[in-house]
Amino acid sequence: AQKITQTQPGMFVQEKEAVTLDCTYDTSDPSYGLFWYKQPSSGEMIFLIYQGSYDQQNATEGRYSLNFQKARKSANLVISASQLGDSAMYFCAMSGWTQGGSEKLVFGKGTKLTVNP
Amino acid sequence: NAGVTQTPKFRVLKTGQSMTLLCAQDMNHEYMYWYRQDPGMGLRLIHYSVGEGTTAKGEVPDGYNVSRLKKQNFLLGLESAAPSQTSVYFCASSYIWQGPLHFGNGTRLTVT
Repeated sequence: AQKITQTQPGMFVQEKEAVTLDCTYDTSDPSYGLFWYKQPSSGEMIFLIYQGSYDQQNATEGRYSLNFQKARKSANLVISASQLGDSAMYFCAMSGWTQGGSEKLVFGKGTKLTVNP
Repeated sequence: NAGVTQTPKFRVLKTGQSMTLLCAQDMNHEYMYWYRQDPGMGLRLIHYSVGEGTTAKGEVPDGYNVSRLKKQNFLLGLESAAPSQTSVYFCASSYIWQGPLHFGNGTRLTVT
């Protein structure tokens, strides 16, 4: 079964510094997708970045980049030049399969990032 | 451009009561999903739909029913609410299957 592990319940970073949020995954499927979502304290879920398992280059979206290391099964999110507005919960997710054979997204339990001024 | 709209935003039910959560999207997405979010559990898929008139079970479907009579709407029903269904419910849609999800703002449901 697919599994996402986010080992950092909470992270702190100083404003303007870079921060890496860890995500490791487990799957036996050769084809899968990896996602990062942001959930501010207001509660909405916001898509940040996507990486396909066959993509050769790491995905980037503005200040967000995904450090994809396939052999290590890791998909860490790097946020450069942190801003106060980056304070939020961050969820890593992977496309996968239920035991019943239907597709689903598997979410990690999240990392709470706090950006200090 | 509203995106994904969920109603209501908050609701309190007594055990055994029923209710329906409404999700509407204006992006012409084929795929729609209902998730629940519980503390320390991340998001778990309840039901999903791959198009108008279709529904399928996700990871935690028990106690819920869904309908997709129109492409833009995806309804989640609780026939007999239980305290274990206290949660935050998110509706989402996507343009491609397993693609980036567009979420609604969530519904906070408390069952007493």
